Amino acid sequence: EVQLLESGGGLVQPGGSLRLSCAASGFTFSSFAMSWVRQAPGKGLEWVSAISGIDGDTFYADSVKGRFTVSRDNSKNTLYLQMDSLRDEDTAVYYCAKSRSGAVAASNYWGQGTLVTVSS
Amino acid sequence: DIQMTQSPSSLSASVRDRVTITCRASQGISNYLAWYQQKPGKVPKLLIYGASTLQSGVPSRFSGSGSGTDFTLTITSLQPEDVATYYCQVYNTALTFGGGTRVEIK
Repeated sequence: EVQLLESGGGLVQPGGSLRLSCAASGFTFSSFAMSWVRQAPGKGLEWVSAISGIDGDTFYADSVKGRFTVSRDNSKNTLYLQMDSLRDEDTAVYYCAKSRSGAVAASNYWGQGTLVTVSS
Repeated sequence: DIQMTQSPSSLSASVRDRVTITCRASQGISNYLAWYQQKPGKVPKLLIYGASTLQSGVPSRFSGSGSGTDFTLTITSLQPEDVATYYCQVYNTALTFGGGTRVEIK
């Protein structure tokens, strides 16, 4: 059974940093692209970042480019999102999601999410 | 970046009605289009990928069509359990979502 478990969310001040983790199990983690998607309270889904399972290429939404860094440790079956220079508008539930393939594609499994609150 | 525009933003229909949601891409995306369902308080669920391929386990009343810039999600006979917000998503070098369509029962 595929499982994705996010952690690392919490309350952080504007300008601060946070690192999210997503522990994966139930599939060959290294073979699949992974994504981060966020959802602000009462709002729609917003794609944040993705990382290929083929060559490790990374992709970012314009809203986080230069501030967030996605990475993966295939030996630990874990996906990360390093978030720096956080802003109020980064407040959201952050989901990790597994792609259907090694390339960036539709996401067929999602974690339960972790809440990030940016506030002073 | 590619922009995805969904319409309508919300709709209300009766049980057993046919429901259609549209999604338009700001440039051609071939068939790199997925549809998701998100029920209140739940995580998103993949319904369709490749614009028209039904994800395993998804009821056959859901279908998708389109290619290039214009896409549709159709529910042929709306059921009470289909109350949710539906999102389209392009997937190539960016995975932009549409704004969502909230579906309610009249």
